[in-house]
Amino acid sequence: DVKVTQSSRYLVKRTGEKVFLECVQDMDHENMFWYRQDPGLGLRLIYFSYDVKMKEKGDIPEGYSVSREKKERFSLILESASTNQTSMYLCASSPSGGVGANVLTFGAGSRLTVL
Amino acid sequence: RKEVEQDPGPFNVPEGATVAFNCTYSNSASQSFFWYRQDCRKEPKLLMSVYSSGNEDGRFTAQLNRASQYISLLIRDSKLSDSATYLCVVPLTDSWGKFQFGAGTQVVVTP
Repeated sequence: DVKVTQSSRYLVKRTGEKVFLECVQDMDHENMFWYRQDPGLGLRLIYFSYDVKMKEKGDIPEGYSVSREKKERFSLILESASTNQTSMYLCASSPSGGVGANVLTFGAGSRLTVL
Repeated sequence: RKEVEQDPGPFNVPEGATVAFNCTYSNSASQSFFWYRQDCRKEPKLLMSVYSSGNEDGRFTAQLNRASQYISLLIRDSKLSDSATYLCVVPLTDSWGKFQFGAGTQVVVTP
């Protein structure tokens, strides 16, 4: 069974702390994404990556950075967490072409609370 | 106007009944469409892909109306386990690798 694994399901952090959210996929997908999901706002793209060491800003990149050193791993970093970053964070991956192109596979999500 | 719009619901459906709801999209050049289901506090999971006029998978039927720019999802013989939020997802045509998400339609199937 193909998988996108997010290392932390629930995190509680304090304002100003640095936060790492890790995501690993075992499907050899080229594309990886970080979204946040908030009630009433739906899913919003933070960053995505279409190749190793490549990244592009999404719709709400402020306050976030990402790292993709290996094809299977895409990390989201909050340099200094703030309370408005309390949210559900979803990692996803998709192949760049062929069967399944444009089909997103999501991880189980990381629910972050910033106090 | 949002680029992908859905009625948020909730649609309260008796078990065994049929429910249908729509997703409207603004980009007439869109070629592919996806329905995902998301259970409470879980991740979205692909339900159906729609590339032409429609698709059917068991009790679920998706139809595409290009003239009016909407896709619909119909669930027949609703089960309690169909209770979920259904997300409409449309790949962007002018920005490779990105997607537009509807806010989701909540369906509640009652005994």
